[in-house]
Amino acid sequence: EVQVVQPGAEVKKPGESLKISCKGSGYSFPNYWIGWVRQMPGKGLEWMGIIFPGDSDTRYSPSFEGQVTMSADQFGNTAYLQWTSLKATDTAIYYCARLRGEASDDAFHVWGQGTVVTVSS
Amino acid sequence: HSVLTQPPSVSGAPGQRVTISCTGSSSNIGADYDVHWYQQLPGAAPKLLIYGDNNRPSGVPDRFSGSKSGTSASLAITGLQAEDEADYYCQSYDSSLSGSGVFGTGTKVTVL
Repeated sequence: EVQVVQPGAEVKKPGESLKISCKGSGYSFPNYWIGWVRQMPGKGLEWMGIIFPGDSDTRYSPSFEGQVTMSADQFGNTAYLQWTSLKATDTAIYYCARLRGEASDDAFHVWGQGTVVTVSS
Repeated sequence: HSVLTQPPSVSGAPGQRVTISCTGSSSNIGADYDVHWYQQLPGAAPKLLIYGDNNRPSGVPDRFSGSKSGTSASLAITGLQAEDEADYYCQSYDSSLSGSGVFGTGTKVTVL
């Protein structure tokens, strides 16, 4: 079964760093783009960016460029989303999802359950 | 703010047909980027409903269909069922955003 698995929740204080993971299984991890999607409380979906684990080619939305860092370990079958200094406004659910095919403009097909990130003092 | 605009809500009685529009521009849908549609049930992760404008992944009922024309796309749900009550999002890519992806504003479907 093709799946991507994320941790359920993280609680952090403003100014702290965070790296959340997305582990793929059941398919050739290096050969499919992985994307990240933000959903703030009570709001819609936001496209953050995608990464190709095979060569770490990364595409960011202009809204998130410089705010987060995407990375991937193709041998550990895991993608990551990282913050160096969290803000309260980073509180959201973060979904990772594998794209359906090889093209970078394909649909998000296999979704993780989401990581709830809470940033509060 | 999103560059893809959807109506905030649509509603219909069981068995009826509803459509959700997704209005873009010449830099996204009008530039012939594919449009994808997702369903998000309350408290759940999104689920792919339609990819490449009008294709259904395996397991998605044929009650769901997609279409695209010009700078807009639409999702149609025929034979509306209670379990279709959810949020629906379109998604495409945009050349004015350095080719990055973008989601629509989202539409809440209510089954009366």
